[in-house]
Amino acid sequence: GEDVEQSLFLSVREGDSSVINCTYTDSSSTYLYWYKQEPGAGLQLLTYIFSNMDMKQDQRLTVLLNKKDKHLSLRIADTQTGDSAIYFCAESIVYAGGTSYGKLTFGQGTILTVHP
Amino acid sequence: EAQVTQNPRYLITVTGKKLTVTCSQNMNHEYMSWYRQDPGLGLRQIYYSMNVEVTDKGDVPEGYKVSRKEKRNFPLILESPSPNQTSLYFCASSFSGKGNEQFFGPGTRLTVL
Repeated sequence: GEDVEQSLFLSVREGDSSVINCTYTDSSSTYLYWYKQEPGAGLQLLTYIFSNMDMKQDQRLTVLLNKKDKHLSLRIADTQTGDSAIYFCAESIVYAGGTSYGKLTFGQGTILTVHP
Repeated sequence: EAQVTQNPRYLITVTGKKLTVTCSQNMNHEYMSWYRQDPGLGLRQIYYSMNVEVTDKGDVPEGYKVSRKEKRNFPLILESPSPNQTSLYFCASSFSGKGNEQFFGPGTRLTVL
């Protein structure tokens, strides 16, 4: 089955770049996602990438995918105190017909702390 | 407004007292799921449903039941809650089952004493 792993903590200084890493095990056609969860809040989808892509950039966010090593990273440029949150990596396998049956497999979450 | 709603948002109960957490979506989505979130474990899928009267187990279904009698509702039932079911629960829905289209509810924090 699918397995997704993340480191649990990351601490950065405001204005620096943050890089959150994730590894996954499934090599099928898959979508890979980054979600953000602020304290006491639900999940916010930040960005996602399909497994046939290497990189995706969206404003301050850059997602890099290394398919050979099954490694996904999220880089946040110019990190701000408002970026402090838990970041979840997740994957969903795409089956025939294009569905994932609504199933996401999540990593443990990385707690990002941004210091002034 | 398109949304997934959950009730209650917070619940404290005692071991063995049956409870139901409701989930409702107003987007006519076919796929719905329940997840639980625990520190250091991320979110794990409990059950999912592909349509009315079609449900299947996720990764951690023990101690839970679900039903899907109507398309918009997907309640999570704990027949005999135990303290290890203390957790934060999220309901999610999507039209085609694709992860990038999933809408998550606001979460229900359950404490079982």
